Amino acid sequence: KNQVEQSPQSLIILEGKNCTLQCNYTVSPFSNLRWYKQDTGRGPVSLTIMTFSENTKSNGRYTATLDADTKQSSLHITASQLSDSASYICVVSATNAGKSTFGDGTTLTVKP
Amino acid sequence: GAVVSQHPSRVICKSGTSVKIECRSLDFQATTMFWYRQFPKKSLMLMATSNEGSKATYEQGVEKDKFLINHASLTLSTLTVTSAHPEDSSFYICSVHSGGATGANVLTFGAGSRLTVL
Repeated sequence: KNQVEQSPQSLIILEGKNCTLQCNYTVSPFSNLRWYKQDTGRGPVSLTIMTFSENTKSNGRYTATLDADTKQSSLHITASQLSDSASYICVVSATNAGKSTFGDGTTLTVKP
Repeated sequence: GAVVSQHPSRVICKSGTSVKIECRSLDFQATTMFWYRQFPKKSLMLMATSNEGSKATYEQGVEKDKFLINHASLTLSTLTVTSAHPEDSSFYICSVHSGGATGANVLTFGAGSRLTVL
């Protein structure tokens, strides 16, 4: 069964600090992994998309890594800002299916 | 990537009435759209896959007569919550399945619709 597990479930950090969110998956055969940011009451917005051959992808202060061997991904946020407070969702797709598997998300709170 | 518009963003209705939510793909011809439901502090739960010109495919446990989906054109899918009850109150989100610059499958989401049934 395809599964995506994210950790931690929630995280509180101070403004300006860095943090790393984790995503482990068992989706197979692997097609791509995406990180989304979802602000409260809004739809998810794509941060990064990585395929099998990519192991690092950056988008401003967001850097995602992918280890296809261990089936792990991380999202690193540097110099956090108050606006980074949101839910971060890891989504993994298999090559043989049109559906994607969603993680439960990590809720990040950045405090001043 | 695709641009997805969802309307309305918020709707309040009385119990027993029906509510229609629209999902439009503004710059991409979407043969497939997805509808999700999201409960507070939970991730998105796929309800159904909307297929242009054919019947939608519903996930297990989702009542097709309760949540009517119509995908009459390549740019519009609608979700109608029929005979709504308070337990149908939720955040409903649609997405379009498109190819990205890397060729990887990309999901672009609408902004969501908050339904409150009184």
